[in-house]
Amino acid sequence: KQEVTQIPAALSVPEGENLVLNCSFTDSAIYNLQWFRQDPGKGLTSLLLIQSSQREQTSGRLNASLDKSSGRSTLYIAASQPGDSATYLCAVPSGGSNYKLTFGKGTLLTVNP
Amino acid sequence: DTGVSQDPRHKITKRGQNVTFRCDPISEHNRLYWYRQTLGQGPEFLTYFQNEAQLEKSRLLSDRFSAERPKGSFSTLEIQRTEQGDSAMYLCASSSRLAGLNEQFFGPGTRLTVL
Repeated sequence: KQEVTQIPAALSVPEGENLVLNCSFTDSAIYNLQWFRQDPGKGLTSLLLIQSSQREQTSGRLNASLDKSSGRSTLYIAASQPGDSATYLCAVPSGGSNYKLTFGKGTLLTVNP
Repeated sequence: DTGVSQDPRHKITKRGQNVTFRCDPISEHNRLYWYRQTLGQGPEFLTYFQNEAQLEKSRLLSDRFSAERPKGSFSTLEIQRTEQGDSAMYLCASSSRLAGLNEQFFGPGTRLTVL
């Protein structure tokens, strides 16, 4: 059974700092990995999707890496801003499917002005 | 706005009542998913539709839950005889098989509170 773990559970940083969020998964036979952002009481916003054949994906100040063999992904946020404050979730398709996402519990990020 | 929409956004009901939620996916997406999220947890998969066919149901989806997607467009999720343990955020997502990546896009969710 696929299990996804995110470390740390919470992170508080001053504005402008670069930071790294970690995600690990137990079954490396995945099709892709997706990073999401969730604001309190809201739905999920897709940030980045990395295919299993890729090692990195970039969007603006966000960079996600994937090391499938070791079951790890990182989300790097450059020059953090208060507007980046949210919960960040990673998810991988599980059970041999390319659609049934298993999520971590998320990292709650607070960026202080 | 052409994103995934869900209705209602909030629902408060008494234990034992039936509730129904609606999801309208992104118009060209043929795949639709329902997830449930409780406080402090990541979303958990409930069910998956490809067009109008329900292809997978999680064991989390007890007999009191039923989902439909008539004509492969919008979907409804009904919970019969609600219990306090059903209180959660119900999230709908959609994706396009044609896009190849199967990136899932989520709606704003329906927050259910069972009193």
